[in-house]
Amino acid sequence: DAMVIQNPRYQVTQFGKPVTLSCSQTLNHNVMYWYQQKSSQAPKLLFHYYDKDFNNEADTPDNFQSRRPNTSFCFLDIRSPGLGDAAMYLCATSRDLVTQYFGPGTRLLVL
Amino acid sequence: DAKTTQPTSMDCAEGRAANLPCNHSTISGNEYVYWYRQIHSQGPQYIIHGLKNNETNEMASLIITEDRKSSTLILPHATLRDTAVYYCIAPRSARQLTFGSGTQLTVLP
Repeated sequence: DAMVIQNPRYQVTQFGKPVTLSCSQTLNHNVMYWYQQKSSQAPKLLFHYYDKDFNNEADTPDNFQSRRPNTSFCFLDIRSPGLGDAAMYLCATSRDLVTQYFGPGTRLLVL
Repeated sequence: DAKTTQPTSMDCAEGRAANLPCNHSTISGNEYVYWYRQIHSQGPQYIIHGLKNNETNEMASLIITEDRKSSTLILPHATLRDTAVYYCIAPRSARQLTFGSGTQLTVLP
């Protein structure tokens, strides 16, 4: 089945140690998104790629970066995780900005 | 995005219809209404969207008032697996979904 895959489902990192979360999709969608969802809050958009065009939200901290080496893969890099970055990170895809399809998320724990 | 207002929580008996309201009085003429849901510890799931006409798919029905200031998502026969947070979103651009607080729907046995 076509889907959005996020690995790992759970990630533990140390304070200040760089971490990378990955997302892949078999839907061949041209848009990929990264959201952050903290406990008991709604998902919040960090940035998205429209094809190769990177679009950062104005309030996304510089600590968060993203790479999209090809259509199928997108990575979220957190350069120096702080305790406040502990959250669920959600990847989503869409075709030409219509309906978004979400992956299961990666829950990040910062020790 | 147009501001949307939803009740914080609702209960529904299993097997009965769940009717989830959403107010979006500031919606503009070309803004769609989207509904997503998020089951605990899972990613959000697209349910349905509409502009002016009522819409129905295998998951739900969407009823939009004639003035487009409010809508209702209907789950015709709610099951325990429909327990989730339901988000009503009226994005100014399809490129960006801004999730509000949503409605926690609890389906009771």
